[in-house]
Amino acid sequence: QTVVTQEPSLTVSPGGTVTLTCASSTGAVTSDSYPNWFQQKPGQAPRALIYSTTSKHSWTPARFSGSLLGGKAALTLSDVQPEDEAEYYCLLYYDNWVFGGGTKLTVL
Amino acid sequence: EVQLVESGGGLVQPGGSLRLSCAASGFTLSHYWMSWVRQAPGKGLEWLADIKQDGTKEHYVDSVRGRFTISRDNAKNLLYLQMNSLRAEDTAVYYCARWSPIDYWGQGTLVTVSS
Repeated sequence: QTVVTQEPSLTVSPGGTVTLTCASSTGAVTSDSYPNWFQQKPGQAPRALIYSTTSKHSWTPARFSGSLLGGKAALTLSDVQPEDEAEYYCLLYYDNWVFGGGTKLTVL
Repeated sequence: EVQLVESGGGLVQPGGSLRLSCAASGFTLSHYWMSWVRQAPGKGLEWLADIKQDGTKEHYVDSVRGRFTISRDNAKNLLYLQMNSLRAEDTAVYYCARWSPIDYWGQGTLVTVSS
């Protein structure tokens, strides 16, 4: 069973830039794993942000971007806003879909 | 407007069964893979199962294979999750989501397995 690992927590200042990463126990993450990223705020359902590594949904703010970085999937937030404080989950495909454990992003 | 609305959650005893439904509107259900995802209290997301547009292929995570069954009725715009042999560790909020690409999610329905 593939294990997907994210940073448990990160802190960023308003207006700053932060990169969240998503690693696989099987090796380098590639586009063949169709990396997805989701944002979840307390008491709410997850909201899709990024699919297929880099593609954005119509509602995804321009300051969010997805990439592959150093063998991992990455989500970069630029010009971070207070409302970006949330839990972020990545999702990878390895025969079945596997979520990462989530990153709690604090904007402080 | 795309909407997914889950129902059928509630309190069930260990060993019991429950069937969740997900009502889809605002799009043609038969055009999309669909999935169920759950989230235990205070925990992360866990993908459970998906089903192909015409219902001819299903995949499951190991922890629910053989106990849970995903199905769909495209004519009624409904997705289902039949859950049998429920355990305390199945306690979670269960979400349905549109899965090709992964975009819209329902608000979830809470399943509590307890005696």
